[in-house]
Amino acid sequence: AQSVSQHNHHVILSEAASLELGCNYSYGGTVNLFWYVQYPGQHLQLLLKYFSGDPLVKGIKGFEAEFIKSKFSFNLRKPSVQWSDTAEYFCAVNADNYGQNFVFGPGTRLSVLP
Amino acid sequence: GAGVSQTPSNKVTEKGKYVELRCDPISGHTALYWYRQSLGQGPEFLIYFQGTGAADDSGLPNDRFFAVRPEGSVSTLKIQRTERGDSAVYLCASKGQGDTGELFFGEGSRLTVL
Repeated sequence: AQSVSQHNHHVILSEAASLELGCNYSYGGTVNLFWYVQYPGQHLQLLLKYFSGDPLVKGIKGFEAEFIKSKFSFNLRKPSVQWSDTAEYFCAVNADNYGQNFVFGPGTRLSVLP
Repeated sequence: GAGVSQTPSNKVTEKGKYVELRCDPISGHTALYWYRQSLGQGPEFLIYFQGTGAADDSGLPNDRFFAVRPEGSVSTLKIQRTERGDSAVYLCASKGQGDTGELFFGEGSRLTVL
């Protein structure tokens, strides 16, 4: 079975600090990888995704993530965070694009101090 | 509609009562997912529909939970004999055909069982 772990439960940063959120998954086959974000009071929305090709993917709002197959990791990064990045971030794995179960990690809460 | 719509947004019920939660997916989306999110945790998969049929219901916790999608559009999650442990936010997501892989989430239905 697939599982997803996220290393940090709560991260607190000051504005302009760099961000890296860890995500590891356990599945030996081909995977599609996602980061979703949930801003306070809003629904989950896609931040970025990896299907194939370049392992460094860029998403909205300056976020990027790197897929390292040998480490089963898909860490999220942003060089300089803003107060508006305060949100909950979820890593998710899907073993087959055509409709199978998407497994989500437990989430990391990011608080950015102004 | 423009997005995934879920009703009710909040439901408070008493232990032992029956509850229905409704999801109206994005028009044309063939795949529909139900997730449950407890406080401080990531979304937990419940069931996935492809069209009218439940393609994977392995996440339903027990036989008190049931979901239908009779016409391949709107879906209803039904919970019988509710228990306090059923309290959570129930999320619905839909996905279109093709290879974008993105789940589009609704705002969720918050269920509180007293």
